[in-house]
Amino acid sequence: DSGVTQTPKHLITATGQRVTLRCSPRSGDLSVYWYQQSLDQGLQFLIQYYNGEERAKGNILERFSAQQFPDLHSELNLSSLELGDSALYFCASSVEAGTQYFGPGTRLLVL
Amino acid sequence: GQQVMQIPQYQHVQEGEDFTTYCNSSTTLSNIQWYKQRPGGHPVFLIQLVKSGEVKKQKRLTFQFGEAKKNSSLHITATQTTDVGTYFCAGGAQKLVFGQGTRLTINP
Repeated sequence: DSGVTQTPKHLITATGQRVTLRCSPRSGDLSVYWYQQSLDQGLQFLIQYYNGEERAKGNILERFSAQQFPDLHSELNLSSLELGDSALYFCASSVEAGTQYFGPGTRLLVL
Repeated sequence: GQQVMQIPQYQHVQEGEDFTTYCNSSTTLSNIQWYKQRPGGHPVFLIQLVKSGEVKKQKRLTFQFGEAKKNSSLHITATQTTDVGTYFCAGGAQKLVFGQGTRLTINP
């Protein structure tokens, strides 16, 4: 158990819909990262927040957005969903820019 | 931007054989980290290398960081079925850039 929690574990939705994925980092970690992992693919970095502020942006679509709240939990919002958005979404946390501890992931299926 | 490439993408071995995955960066890295993701699981941190030419061992796993700090390797001696999974390298300063991973499968 990494100490990072993600909800929900599974999500099934339809194209065009909007979903919110939630992540609670390890106690004391200020950085939260979001990754997308499609079938047989590597980890695609989406975005990083540090203590409530956006720190780095990766290959995140305009339809996707994220935020980190004062209690340091983070949410990833995915809107106007397409079939190709089906993937595993991981959240990771770290103290600063060091070792990242990954949550169990949310498996999203868009039908 | 910085790119991290890993080879091979897939490797299938017989149990007991050795396995190596290689990681190359387009830029000099301040450090390199290795992660393992079991099938159906999430990436788990294995180790971090910081110094040029550094070699670290964890039981049957040997990790190396190149002299120029642009490449790294992970070598597993005498693979076991528990070694199955995808091994990722990741490098960078403020932002970790992950390689595409090497998926290891093992024939028992």
